[in-house]
Amino acid sequence: GAVVSQHPSWVICKSGTSVKIECRSLDFQATTMFWYRQFPKQSLMLMATSNEGSKATYEQGVEKDKFLINHASLTLSTLTVTSAHPEDSSFYICSASAFLSEQFFGPGTRLTVL
Amino acid sequence: DAKTTQPNSMESNEEEPVHLPCNHSTISGTDYIHWYRQLPSQGPEYVIHGLTSNVNNRMASLAIAEDRKSSTLILHRATLRDAAVYYCILSQGAQKLVFGQGTRLTINP
Repeated sequence: GAVVSQHPSWVICKSGTSVKIECRSLDFQATTMFWYRQFPKQSLMLMATSNEGSKATYEQGVEKDKFLINHASLTLSTLTVTSAHPEDSSFYICSASAFLSEQFFGPGTRLTVL
Repeated sequence: DAKTTQPNSMESNEEEPVHLPCNHSTISGTDYIHWYRQLPSQGPEYVIHGLTSNVNNRMASLAIAEDRKSSTLILHRATLRDAAVYYCILSQGAQKLVFGQGTRLTINP
């Protein structure tokens, strides 16, 4: 149990376009979902925390207008990178938890912006 | 967030036990000790967590010092598939995990 999926697993886009990444909890209801970003040879950095039905809480330094997060249901959260630029190229990872239990991570989405 | 200190890298041989240390001298009474691992190009995987007592599961054991200022993740019989970056993280519940640099574990065949 406790499986989290992400779609797509990788995406290449042109500079200036927007990209949407989906995160789904497949076999449990996630009250909270988290979005992380990981640059090559670095550790994961938390971007934002979202609770179902409410606005996401962004970490310091993360632009909320650039990284739009929607957590419309207990099994789905989306991250939209708006007007993507090459410096947004990274590995984006989501995680989900239910009622303060462990976080279960998705497999990640590799974004490359040309 | 309380910080942890881990060695940058460790190396071990296949089928031998591995002891991965973690220091957390500023741990508070309500901090849980979590261990996650990350294989290349994958999301982190939950390994184990504990509060005060030692913990065992099918993946590993967690030994927690009596003063809780350090802990050790024990892989009883390492396999090549255990090669990963291991993260020791303190958190109150599973909320807001702050990842450090972790320990890169290499397993020699």
